[in-house]
Amino acid sequence: NAGVTQTPKFQVLKTGQSMTLQCAQDMNHNSMYWYRQDPGMGLRLIYYSASEGTTDKGEVPNGYNVSRLNKREFSLRLESAAPSQTSVYFCASIMASGRTLDTQYFGPGTRLTVL
Amino acid sequence: KQEVTQIPAALSVPEGENLVLNCSFTDSAIYNLQWFRQDPGKGLTSLLLIQSSQREQTSGRLNASLDKSSGRSTLYIAASQPGDSATYLCAVNRGSTLGRLYFGRGTQLTVWP
Repeated sequence: NAGVTQTPKFQVLKTGQSMTLQCAQDMNHNSMYWYRQDPGMGLRLIYYSASEGTTDKGEVPNGYNVSRLNKREFSLRLESAAPSQTSVYFCASIMASGRTLDTQYFGPGTRLTVL
Repeated sequence: KQEVTQIPAALSVPEGENLVLNCSFTDSAIYNLQWFRQDPGKGLTSLLLIQSSQREQTSGRLNASLDKSSGRSTLYIAASQPGDSATYLCAVNRGSTLGRLYFGRGTQLTVWP
């Protein structure tokens, strides 16, 4: 049971390049989330997927797209990277059964630098 | 919009002290509140989750309280140890978007021997 895994762990991009951050969970969770964490800031929600087949914007969605590929996987894509997207990206998941909310489980993060 | 504030931003104490970390939130209509620990270069680990109907939760040397009406939570750490050094994050779940969390900026704790 690996929990929430993220790839890659580190990435350096040039302005204008594109890339996809991968996230997978093996806990049979329904809901998944992408957050970004900037120095001195709390985590901010980029996009989330309440259940397989649905995605919605969070607080800071501009410049990103997401895909909920199946129940296990939720990817985040930067179509044209900008220096303002330099950050640490965290993926999280939660059971969210509708009757109760478990704690969110977080991946180890992807540290992205855009030059 | 839910705003979450944590005080102090940083704390440095000698080993053995009892500590109180504070968290306040602007909208009292929350579903639950969580305290997380984040080690440098690592992800977040959930420490305690308090449902909106509860007043406190305890786990070992950690005790978290919740006063929903005043929009406050405290994390109490007893007999602090150097291994407690980390950033502690408070997050509230409003419940309007299932599971969505609103985070404070964290308290960076250093416990020195």
